Amino acid sequence: AQKITQTQPGMFVQEKEAVTLDCTYDTSDPSYGLFWYKQPSSGEMIFLIYQGSYDQQNATEGRYSLNFQKARKSANLVISASQLGDSAMYFCAMREGHNYGQNFVFGPGTRLSVLP
Amino acid sequence: GAVVSQHPSRVICKSGTSVKIECRSLDFQATTMFWYRQFPKQSLMLMATSNEGSKATYEQGVEKDKFLINHASLTLSTLTVTSAHPEDSSFYICSAGGGGHGKTQYFGPGTRLLVL
Repeated sequence: AQKITQTQPGMFVQEKEAVTLDCTYDTSDPSYGLFWYKQPSSGEMIFLIYQGSYDQQNATEGRYSLNFQKARKSANLVISASQLGDSAMYFCAMREGHNYGQNFVFGPGTRLSVLP
Repeated sequence: GAVVSQHPSRVICKSGTSVKIECRSLDFQATTMFWYRQFPKQSLMLMATSNEGSKATYEQGVEKDKFLINHASLTLSTLTVTSAHPEDSSFYICSAGGGGHGKTQYFGPGTRLLVL
């Protein structure tokens, strides 16, 4: 069964507008971490934001915020004030447990295109 | 953040040859490293978990005799693609966790392998 679902294969957004990238997950482990990564055409994986399952507040990192709805098992990424450089693939990932020696499971990704 | 390097960044080889890819954690000790493979327009798929001083754990469907992993020190893991074939052409990415650097994994820049 898919542990991470990203239902939007591609998204378009106008420059300077906000955009939400969807991510839902499935786990029975009460302790887990959720991550978003950006992958530009160069291929490198750039860490954007992290949300722990026990965190009470939604994570924020600059223009990135994570809309964490635990009961719905969703962890959507919100990018505010989109920039042309935000055009890339975005992957949602989950690690079950809090041991960073455990591997991530990645979603299929969403390709974001920012329009001038 | 922590830095993980990979070498080489790009390699082209003839079918039947072996290719070694190095993954180094530059400023922290990584007890665990992960090797992923990414085909075009797809997500990252975990190949194996590399543990320092012990045998790697391979994911189902990954041939351990074809993809040799050696994690000889806390800062270096190597992936050797033996007798490479065109279907092994892919983007290989390593990541490292551990060493007190928090909740995320740190990804290397990736290696593009093209087997002719």
